[in-house]
Order: sequence, then structure tokens, then C-alpha cells
Amino acid sequence: DAGVIQSPRHEVTEMGQEVTLRCKLISGHNSLFWYRQTMMRGLELLIYFNNNVPIDDSGMPEDRFSAKMPNASFSTLKIQPSEPRDSAVYFCASSMTGGSQETQYFGPGTRLLVL
Amino acid sequence: GQQVMQIPQYQHVQEGEDFTTYCNSSTTLSNIQWYKQRPGGHPVFLIQLVKSGEVKKQKRLTFQFGEAKKNSSLHITATQTTDVGTYFCGVRRDSSYKLIFGSGTRLLVRP
Repeated sequence: DAGVIQSPRHEVTEMGQEVTLRCKLISGHNSLFWYRQTMMRGLELLIYFNNNVPIDDSGMPEDRFSAKMPNASFSTLKIQPSEPRDSAVYFCASSMTGGSQETQYFGPGTRLLVL
Repeated sequence: GQQVMQIPQYQHVQEGEDFTTYCNSSTTLSNIQWYKQRPGGHPVFLIQLVKSGEVKKQKRLTFQFGEAKKNSSLHITATQTTDVGTYFCGVRRDSSYKLIFGSGTRLLVRP
């Protein structure tokens, strides 16, 4: 069975450019989490979707960040315009229903470098 | 807000030595999960603890949940080079979907 799929795996871009990260959930899962990992701040939850609906976006840093879930299996995280401080590894994770005792399955991550 | 402290930040051991990482919360937890992230990899689920005082074992790994459900530990007996990575605890309060991750303990093993 395929796990969580993320693309691209690596992205290098210049400050001011738009960046779009993509995530495909595990088949049958309906909950999606976007995380950002940095040395300074560790693993931070950015946004959580359940059944395509954003439930908690309190972790989204600012208006430059936006996330969508246009269908049950796919999500995008967009940064526009990107800044050097956005450089991080971005993970998406899925779980079956988002329940309070569920495992989260992480994708391989997108390593973003903004110059 | 909820704080999760994980110690130590780093541990460098000789192969065969034991290793323990601790996760401490300022508030009572609903459950705790442990994840392992290999260098350059992504977090992978290891185990979940739910009950007060719970102890679970996976081969050389022993996981404990404190009686007060505010702390947990992961102990590895006789480390191997394959144990290298960063170990994270993820905690939940109440019946929240939200996992709050500790800062992780990075384990290095000298062969």
C-alpha cells in the first residue's frame, strides 16, 4: 500500500517566489495535517483538515501561507511570497478519522530552501 | 499553553549501552505517542500509551507512562547502530486530535 505521498521532495527557490507543496493522503484516510520542522522550533502543526474542511489553522504563520484540500485525497500548501525564514522541512501526515487515539502517518517531507 | 519538555536533547552512546529519553508535560495527558525519525527521514510511529502507569515493550524498547499521566519514558536496552535517529514524543490533552510534539532526543551510537 502506498503511504503518504509528497511532492516535490526538494525545492530551492528565490525570495518572493510562490511555492506550492503537494500531498496525497493514504487511501481511506480523511484527516490531513501539515507540519513544519525546523531546528529552532521543532515540529509544528500548521493546519488540520478533516473531511476536506479546515478545522484548525491556528498554526499557519501568516497570510502568506494558505492550504487547500480540493478533494478527499489531495492537499496543497502554498507560500506566496516566500521568504528565507520559510526554509524548513514540510511534512504532511494523514490519519484515518482524526480521532484522539489515532496514529499519524507522515509523508517523506518537502525540503524547502528559500534563498 | 501546554508545554512538553523532552530530555536530553542529545545522547551519544557506545553501541551496547542503554539509552533513555524522557517526556514531561505540565498538564495531565490523554495519551502519548512516540515516533522515531531517522536522519533525513520522516517521523515514524512507534507506540501509543493511554493508561496510567502503562508499560509496553517492543523488543529492546520499553515505553512507560507515568502514574499521573504527565510524563513518559522510552528506554532502549543495548543500543545498536540501527537505533540512530531522533525520538519524539507527541502528547494529547483531553480528547483532542492535536498532537503536541516534544523537541526530540537525538541519539548517536558509536560502533
